[in-house]
Amino acid sequence: GENVEQHPSTLSVQEGDSAVIKCTYSDSASNYFPWYKQELGKRPQLIIDIRSNVGEKKDQRIAVTLNKTAKHFSLHITETQPEDSAVYFCAASNFGNEKLTFGTGTRLTIIP
Amino acid sequence: NAGVTQTPKFQVLKTGQSMTLQCAQDMNHEYMSWYRQDPGMGLRLIHYSVGAGITDQGEVPNGYNVSRSTTEDFPLRLLSAAPSQTSVYFCASSYLVLGRERTEAFFGQGTRLTVV
Repeated sequence: GENVEQHPSTLSVQEGDSAVIKCTYSDSASNYFPWYKQELGKRPQLIIDIRSNVGEKKDQRIAVTLNKTAKHFSLHITETQPEDSAVYFCAASNFGNEKLTFGTGTRLTIIP
Repeated sequence: NAGVTQTPKFQVLKTGQSMTLQCAQDMNHEYMSWYRQDPGMGLRLIHYSVGAGITDQGEVPNGYNVSRSTTEDFPLRLLSAAPSQTSVYFCASSYLVLGRERTEAFFGQGTRLTVV
């Protein structure tokens, strides 16, 4: 089955700086890669996703890049703000079967 | 629009007790799933369903049963609770957005289960 590794497990950045979280996956059949944000005590929520036929996708301060050859994808948050503090999860699936395999999460802390 | 509703929010069980975690969605999503979340281990898939009457095992199915008699409901049953099942449980429902080629999982608010 699919295996997703996520690094780092914790990340602290100064407010206004950029944060990068990286994930690798094992199954070459995976073609859909969402990112979820989970604030303390709350449910995970989708923030951005990317398909394998796309190398990069942006949504305001958030971007995701995908290197299908190397089987890794990354989340980039620019101009970080205190409300970006949360746990972020990457995931992978074969689009259509909707079985998501999640990474172990990154706790991002924005230092004011 | 309630989305995905889980009950209860908190539960303490004694070892060997059984219970059912309830999950209901009102978005007419075909796909529903149960995850458990443990510190440092992310979200792990327990069981999932692609439609009423159809269920399958995920990554960590042992000790859990599910059924899907309706599109709306997907209960998770713990047959004989063990301390290793202490965790936060999330139910999720999702749908395929054809054309946009995406799927989004909507999560319930979670059930924090402690087995003593």
